[in-house]
Amino acid sequence: GAVVSQHPSWVICKSGTSVKIECRSLDFQATTMFWYRQFPKQSLMLMATSNEGSKATYEQGVEKDKFLINHASLTLSTLTVTSAHPEDSSFYICSADLSPNYGYTFGSGTRLTVV
Amino acid sequence: AQSVTQLDSHVSVSEGTPVLLRCNYSSSYSPSLFWYVQHPNKGLQLLLKYTSAATLVKGINGFEAEFKKSETSFHLTKPSAHMSDAAEYFCVVRWFGNDMRFGAGTRLTVKP
Repeated sequence: GAVVSQHPSWVICKSGTSVKIECRSLDFQATTMFWYRQFPKQSLMLMATSNEGSKATYEQGVEKDKFLINHASLTLSTLTVTSAHPEDSSFYICSADLSPNYGYTFGSGTRLTVV
Repeated sequence: AQSVTQLDSHVSVSEGTPVLLRCNYSSSYSPSLFWYVQHPNKGLQLLLKYTSAATLVKGINGFEAEFKKSETSFHLTKPSAHMSDAAEYFCVVRWFGNDMRFGAGTRLTVKP
């Protein structure tokens, strides 16, 4: 079946540094990928839609300059949290759209802790 | 407006007893409906989906869900809970294109 690989699964970084999270579709091409943020005991919040070869579409309230998204190929999207602060600590999940009737395939998530 | 509501934030059952996780949606259109499961610090795994075929949908791990248009519901059930079923469950509704809405989630606890 369709697999989305997300890396790293967890990362700890210092305040002020940047962290890159990768999301790869392993056996299919994904022109569109999605990035979510999930706070403890809450549902997923869509941050942005990543489009291959074009600019990402950000949801209202999400800082474009803080959460940089790059979708340079049909199998890879990256999310870079720039100048991270403790309030950016969260669980980040990516997904790819296999087909309208299939739903999304999700990565395994990345636990970011900023100290 | 389109929305999805999971009626219970937490459900607790004993091992071997039935599971019922409730989901209702509001929509003027017939959506595609999904149930996902999330174990701690993991991504979401698709349990089952409804896409306008049979209204009773069977998924993985013994779960099934029935689409009831008249009630705008898509409740998830399992005849006998297993300890490994303890997790967070999300009902997800998809309308046109990329418009997917997540329910708030239901945490399932299974007691021995």
